[in-house]
Amino acid sequence: EAGVVQSPRYKIIEKKQPVAFWCNPISGHNTLYWYRQNLGQGPELLIRYENEEAVDDSQLPKDRFSAERLKGVDSTLKIQPAELGDSAVYLCASSLPTGNTEAFFGQGTRLTVV
Amino acid sequence: DQQVKQNSPSLSVQEGRISILNCDYTNSMFDYFLWYKKYPAEGPTFLISISSIKDKNEDGRFTVFLNKSAKHLSLHIVPSQPGDSAVYFCAASAWNRDDKIIFGKGTRLHILP
Repeated sequence: EAGVVQSPRYKIIEKKQPVAFWCNPISGHNTLYWYRQNLGQGPELLIRYENEEAVDDSQLPKDRFSAERLKGVDSTLKIQPAELGDSAVYLCASSLPTGNTEAFFGQGTRLTVV
Repeated sequence: DQQVKQNSPSLSVQEGRISILNCDYTNSMFDYFLWYKKYPAEGPTFLISISSIKDKNEDGRFTVFLNKSAKHLSLHIVPSQPGDSAVYFCAASAWNRDDKIIFGKGTRLHILP
């Protein structure tokens, strides 16, 4: 069974440019998370979806970040415009909808803003 | 305010000995705890978890202990192997509250030959 798939693996962009990340969760996983991991830190939640509904986006910087999960499967995370401080690894994870269950992570997208 | 704390940024252990990674939490609503392992350039991989109704969970070489009164959990790896060298993240969630998983900053484990 395929795990969580993210693309691209790496992205280098100039500041003020837009960028988008794509995630395909594990089949049957209704819950999808986007995390951001800065160097030397643990993953920090940006947004969590239950199916197509964003149930927790309190940590998403809404002035420049947006996310969508059309049809409750794949998801995209967009940054427009990107800033130098957005350089990080962006991780997508998915889990079953029941509580007390582990989330499975993709390999992440390493974003470098120059 | 960090709700999940891993106070040791790194740990070195001789191959074959026991590795003990520690984690403290502040939110008493957490009821599910997880450990993830991360290799460079890969996403975190789920390792082992424990529910707050238990104080120990074992899976092969990995055992997680939970002390609710002290709000402390630990991961024991025995015997430690070279492939265990990685960053280990402690994480916690409160299912009845918001179900989001909060991570610590991680501990880098080095297994020495």
